[in-house]
Amino acid sequence: NAGVTQTPKFRILKIGQSMTLQCAQDMNHNYMYWYRQDPGMGLKLIYYSVGAGITDKGEVPNGYNVSRSTTEDFPLRLELAAPSQTSVYFCASTSSGGPTDTQYFGPGTRLTVL
Amino acid sequence: EDQVTQSPEALRLQEGESSSLNCSYTVSGLRGLFWYRQDPGKGPEFLFTLYSAGEEKEKERLKATLTKKESFLHITAPKPEDSATYLCAVGMDSNYQLIWGAGTKLIIKP
Repeated sequence: NAGVTQTPKFRILKIGQSMTLQCAQDMNHNYMYWYRQDPGMGLKLIYYSVGAGITDKGEVPNGYNVSRSTTEDFPLRLELAAPSQTSVYFCASTSSGGPTDTQYFGPGTRLTVL
Repeated sequence: EDQVTQSPEALRLQEGESSSLNCSYTVSGLRGLFWYRQDPGKGPEFLFTLYSAGEEKEKERLKATLTKKESFLHITAPKPEDSATYLCAVGMDSNYQLIWGAGTKLIIKP
């Protein structure tokens, strides 16, 4: 099993550009999450999904969009990139989504907006 | 307000010098407390889940403990390969989202 995979690993965007961060998991997990990690801060939840076709906002959703057409894939879309979106983005998945369920993380995408 | 605080922010130890990392929390209805390890340029990797006060779990040189207000990650006789950032997170009754601490960066010098 590859677990959770993310592409690209690095990306530099100009202000106003758009891009999609890809995330895929092969563990047949229903729940998937997108986090951002900024220096000195805890992971912040952007969006999550409880299954194909169902998504919801997390703590910091502004400037992002998601879709979930299959169990395996959960892409994150950045529209009109801003310097405040410079961060490291992590995708995670878990089988049941409960408060005691272990989350499995991808390797991350480091995004810089200039 | 639900909150998770980790201390210290960074800790430098000599190889073999034991110490502890702290994760204090103020949340309602704790269901689980998680410890993760994060290496530079990688995603967090699961270490432990603790469910109730008094519980302890061990893995190699690491032992995690839990009280009603905080958790400790004890590291015994650490080696340079234990250098990483250690993250703490809390799962609650009232919220599907985990609350994450900012992490402790541990550096073990040979």
